[in-house]
Amino acid sequence: QQQVKQSPQSLIVQKGGIPIINCAYENTAFDYFPWYQQFPGKGPALLIAIRPDVSEKKEGRFTISFNKSAKQFSLHIMDSQPGDSATYFCAASITGANNLFFGTGTRLTVIP
Amino acid sequence: NAGVMQNPRHLVRRRGQEARLRCSPMKGHSHVYWYRQLPEEGLKFMVYLQKENIIDESGMPKERFSAEFPKEGPSILRIQQVVRGDSAAYFCASSPWRPGIPPSGFFGPGTRLTVT
Repeated sequence: QQQVKQSPQSLIVQKGGIPIINCAYENTAFDYFPWYQQFPGKGPALLIAIRPDVSEKKEGRFTISFNKSAKQFSLHIMDSQPGDSATYFCAASITGANNLFFGTGTRLTVIP
Repeated sequence: NAGVMQNPRHLVRRRGQEARLRCSPMKGHSHVYWYRQLPEEGLKFMVYLQKENIIDESGMPKERFSAEFPKEGPSILRIQQVVRGDSAAYFCASSPWRPGIPPSGFFGPGTRLTVT
């Protein structure tokens, strides 16, 4: 079964808008939550990651919000640009484990 | 400093043929992870290897799939007698440390396998 559920499947925003992508998980043992950006024909690239001891993390225009009690986390992209158009994946893992569990991805289109 | 290299980038095989996918980790990295991405889906873990050892193959299909990471040379993911359902993008990632933290930043560009 899907360990990490991601929504929406696709998202279209105007330049300057703030797209929000949401993920939810069930396994409370997860303790590392990265987000990846993937352009067509490329591999995923780590964008930003958070651990559950903080509720928010910002890196540049990207912010992760984390709600431990709800078992949800989300990615916000401030002042979005056409160059941000890509597929975004959330993921989760357990420290000491060997793999990441990925969401199904959100295809973001930023219209100029 | 080259990133993770994968080749070929695109591979077309007929049903029943063998597919060999290669992954050269980043310099200094001794751990390799393989993931598979089916169309419109997220990546799914297949296998984790370090030099000459398979550490975790819990995500590998039981038949037809095998992986190795020899002392010298790239890691190889081998799929025997390919079927249409094997069509996917196969990504590898590498890391320089023990798996306390999964590979968070170093994915290769992928090999897109098409089975006709």
